[in-house]
Amino acid sequence: DVKVTQSSRYLVKRTGEKVFLECVQDMDHENMFWYRQDPGLGLRLIYFSYDVKMKEKGDIPEGYSVSREKKERFSLILESASTNQTSMYLCASIPRDRDNQPQHFGDGTRLSIL
Amino acid sequence: AQSVSQHNHHVILSEAASLELGCNYSYGGTVNLFWYVQYPGQHLQLLLKYFSGDPLVKGIKGFEAEFIKSKFSFNLRKPSVQWSDTAEYFCAVRVLSGGYNKLIFGAGTRLAVHP
Repeated sequence: DVKVTQSSRYLVKRTGEKVFLECVQDMDHENMFWYRQDPGLGLRLIYFSYDVKMKEKGDIPEGYSVSREKKERFSLILESASTNQTSMYLCASIPRDRDNQPQHFGDGTRLSIL
Repeated sequence: AQSVSQHNHHVILSEAASLELGCNYSYGGTVNLFWYVQYPGQHLQLLLKYFSGDPLVKGIKGFEAEFIKSKFSFNLRKPSVQWSDTAEYFCAVRVLSGGYNKLIFGAGTRLAVHP
């Protein structure tokens, strides 16, 4: 069974800090995604990656960056955390061009910026 | 840009009532369609999915959805809801574009079922 692991379930950081959220999948998936989930807004795509060292902006990339140095790991970086980045962050993965499978999601990281 | 619209943000029903949650998307190409459910304090769970074939798909817990391509819609239905169906429901569309795919979510519908 596919496993998508997010390094932290809960994280508390201060305004201005650089924050790293890590996501690892164990099934050699090419495509990986970072979303944030906020009440009334659903899940919004921040960034996604379709291969090592490849990245694409999603719908709300401002204030974030990503890193995909290895196929199994996709990191989300908050360069200088702000209170409006307090949210639930979800990572997901799927093999490339596998249109007969759903996305696999991690358990989420609830991030609070004070 | 591609988008997914869920018509109702909040729905309140009594037990045994019928449910229909609307979902429309804007994209003219090939799509896969999903409904996810999130129970209070829990993670996202896949309720049902459509990839191809019969446009009426059945999911877990008695839910079903119908893909109407001409209307760009994928509405979720359940004939008789239970209190345990209280949750938030998300419609999602996977856009298949070139060498990669992208999953886009609607804003969600909060369903409250009263006993």
